[in-house]
Amino acid sequence: GENVEQHPSTLSVQEGDSAVIKCTYSDSASNYFPWYKQELGKGPQLIIDIRSNVGEKKDQRIAVTLNKTAKHFSLHITETQPEDSAVYFCAASYMRFGAGTRLTVKP
Amino acid sequence: EAGVVQSPRYKIIEKKQPVAFWCNPISGHNTLYWYLQNLGQGPELLIRYENEEAVDDSQLPKDRFSAERLKGVDSTLKIQPAELGDSAVYLCASSRTRMDTQYFGPGTRLTVL
Repeated sequence: GENVEQHPSTLSVQEGDSAVIKCTYSDSASNYFPWYKQELGKGPQLIIDIRSNVGEKKDQRIAVTLNKTAKHFSLHITETQPEDSAVYFCAASYMRFGAGTRLTVKP
Repeated sequence: EAGVVQSPRYKIIEKKQPVAFWCNPISGHNTLYWYLQNLGQGPELLIRYENEEAVDDSQLPKDRFSAERLKGVDSTLKIQPAELGDSAVYLCASSRTRMDTQYFGPGTRLTVL
């Protein structure tokens, strides 16, 4: 089955800096890669996703890149703000999640 | 549009007791998922329903866990008897089809004493 690894497990940045979270997957047949943000006491919420026929997707301060050959994809958050502080999860094959990255943005 | 509704939000029980969680998906969503989320971990799929049919339940511990989705809408996940290791957050999600975006409920935090 699909195996998804996510790094780093924790990330601390200064407000205004960029944050990058990386994931690798094992199943070359995977073709959908969503990213979720989970705040305390809430369920994960989709923030951006990418399908295998696209190499990059951007939505304001958030972007995702996909390298199908290397089987890895990354989340990029620019101009981070304190409200970006949360746990971020990547996923592959719709239902296989990484272990999460706790992002802290210091004011 | 209302989101995925789960109840209860919190549940504390003693080991060996039964417990049930309820999920109401977004209207029109045919696919429903139950996930287990341990502290500091990502969600792990327990079971997926396509309408009222369970199509992916390989990770569901069938000796103590059961689930149903009557009429292809609401779903119930049950644990009987609960064990200490079952303490976790149980998340329900739904999507229009299995190829569409999943929307998660707030989860039920279970504590087994």
